[in-house]
Amino acid sequence: DTAVSQTPKYLVTQMGNDKSIKCEQNLGHDTMYWYKQDSKKFLKIMFSYNNKELIINETVPNRFSPKSPDKAHLNLHINSLELGDSAVYFCASSQAPAMDEQYFGPGTRLTVT
Amino acid sequence: GDSVTQMEGPVTLSEEAFLTINCTYTATGYPSLFWYVQYPGEGLQLLLKATKADDKGSNKGFEATYRKETTSFHLEKGSVQVSDSAVYFCALSGGYNKLIFGAGTRLAVHP
Repeated sequence: DTAVSQTPKYLVTQMGNDKSIKCEQNLGHDTMYWYKQDSKKFLKIMFSYNNKELIINETVPNRFSPKSPDKAHLNLHINSLELGDSAVYFCASSQAPAMDEQYFGPGTRLTVT
Repeated sequence: GDSVTQMEGPVTLSEEAFLTINCTYTATGYPSLFWYVQYPGEGLQLLLKATKADDKGSNKGFEATYRKETTSFHLEKGSVQVSDSAVYFCALSGGYNKLIFGAGTRLAVHP
């Protein structure tokens, strides 16, 4: 039974399109995250939600909008996709505080052409 | 701001060799420290952690000690296996449940 799942696993789209990535966790955690991993494997946090409320927004362009319909889901919508958005996006969850383990999903590889 | 610096890879070793991956950090306060591992095509998994100075985290033969005096958390394993080939990330806990990662170090172990 998958703890943190993401869909889709691969996403190929053209510049200017709008796309969404979905994330669900069945661990009962209060906090969920989105990370972006670039081609050099560098991993950076984008957003964090605690009990459906945004608590971290790391200078991410307004084209990226997270949405948390409930504690178990955190979706990422991206408008007007650009070439530089190509990356692997990871969802994660944890029980607060940060010293607890974060559980990562398998990642969504987004390719913008 | 808080940051993590890891040794650049790739690190290439023969099976049963000794592994060290260096990690140093800059932080205000007293963060928790972590090592995560990413196997090919997968998400990150927690390998080990330490929550205060002089703590030693260990798991699967890997270990790391939280050294406040040298602001380091080096990862070591006495005898690596081919199955240890992966990317290893050092991280610290920033404010607001935030993990700050190093750039990752790719380890390749050959038979």
